[in-house]
Amino acid sequence: EAQVTQNPRYLITVTGKKLTVTCSQNMNHEYMSWYRQDPGLGLRQIYYSMNVEVTDKGDVPEGYKVSRKEKRNFPLILESPSPNQTSLYFCASSSLQRAFKGNEQFFGPGTRLTVL
Amino acid sequence: QQQVKQSPQSLIVQKGGISIINCAYENTAFDYFPWYQQFPGKGPALLIAIRPDVSEKKEGRFTISFNKSAKQFSLHIMDSQPGDSATYFCAGSRLTFGEGTQLTVNP
Repeated sequence: EAQVTQNPRYLITVTGKKLTVTCSQNMNHEYMSWYRQDPGLGLRQIYYSMNVEVTDKGDVPEGYKVSRKEKRNFPLILESPSPNQTSLYFCASSSLQRAFKGNEQFFGPGTRLTVL
Repeated sequence: QQQVKQSPQSLIVQKGGISIINCAYENTAFDYFPWYQQFPGKGPALLIAIRPDVSEKKEGRFTISFNKSAKQFSLHIMDSQPGDSATYFCAGSRLTFGEGTQLTVNP
């Protein structure tokens, strides 16, 4: 089954404790991205990657890091989480053409993060 | 900078009614306008999409109307059902999303 998986699905942590949210896709997609979803603000892009070792900032990259060492994986790293990073996070993937031409992306199930 | 503006933020409709969600865009370079549907606890999923060379696209009870001159497009859900209760996002190409509309269809 074609899918994007994220782990963990739920995470409660404390300020300053480094964490990683994993994302994996099995569709051989070049493009992967991370979004955060907050009420009234919609989906805001954090980082995206167009291929292995190619990453770029989205609209709200501050406080986040990513890496793309393998095509299927795109982890999101919070080096020192703060309460304003409490949010619902989504990973997405697509082919390059479908992403940039048509904004057609396949989304994971989401990770709800709470930073105390 | 929000390149796609969506309204209303929330919408309550009775079963059998018509749900209408509106979006306005700024970037005239957009050439594809998808709508995503998101159920609680799930990620957004592509619902229906339209290209700017057509004024309307219909798939079942879901219709997109597109007005290129006004730079607006809308999603119409005919005969709305409780199972349609979800958050809907409009989007433009270039990876831009609207703010989302939470639709509740009462039985």
